[in-house]
Amino acid sequence: ETGVTQTPRHLVMGMTNKKSLKCEQHLGHNAMYWYKQSAKKPLELMFVYSLEERVENNSVPSRFSPECPNSSHLFLHLHTLQPEDSALYLCASSQGTGDANTEAFFGQGTRLTVV
Amino acid sequence: LAKTTQPISMDSYEGQEVNITCSHNNIATNDYITWYQQFPSQGPRFIIQGYKTKVTNEVASLFIPADRKSSTLSLPRVSLSDTAVYYCLAYNQGGKLIFGQGTELSVKP
Repeated sequence: ETGVTQTPRHLVMGMTNKKSLKCEQHLGHNAMYWYKQSAKKPLELMFVYSLEERVENNSVPSRFSPECPNSSHLFLHLHTLQPEDSALYLCASSQGTGDANTEAFFGQGTRLTVV
Repeated sequence: LAKTTQPISMDSYEGQEVNITCSHNNIATNDYITWYQQFPSQGPRFIIQGYKTKVTNEVASLFIPADRKSSTLSLPRVSLSDTAVYYCLAYNQGGKLIFGQGTELSVKP
């Protein structure tokens, strides 16, 4: 248990569906992250939020839409995804992005399959 | 953000000490070196972090030479449960957590 909770753990969706991934942390952290990890590949940083403001968006397609309503919650809204978007989506949080010795805490991830 | 290079894979046997070396030739003065462990279908887990010389905790040791252009993660007496991917990161204040390829460690009986 890392203090970062992701739901759902598994999700199967069609290409025309709209779904959302949820991430919640009660560690008092100010920064939250979304990562994508495809099979046998390293983690790809998608979005970074610091104090509820988006500070990083690594050229992610618009079919992925993040939302950070407060410092404890982070969502990833999904719509019209492609099969190649199937992956493990990981959420993480840290004290802040401004600390050099910041430790990040990761959730268990959501295994997404697009059919 | 310093680029890191690690071996793609390593094999070991139970009870052995495992040393994984990471190269970060363009590390900046204020970069910290951090190692994470990831099991299949789980999020990475922080192992250890250091700036220079040696850092030890209950899980591992981290050796950083004076020039800081490389670092070595040392896992004492590994067990089967240490089979995982190990990531080396070098980043500084304001840096984003960018993960490289990592080292896939396989521990055999």
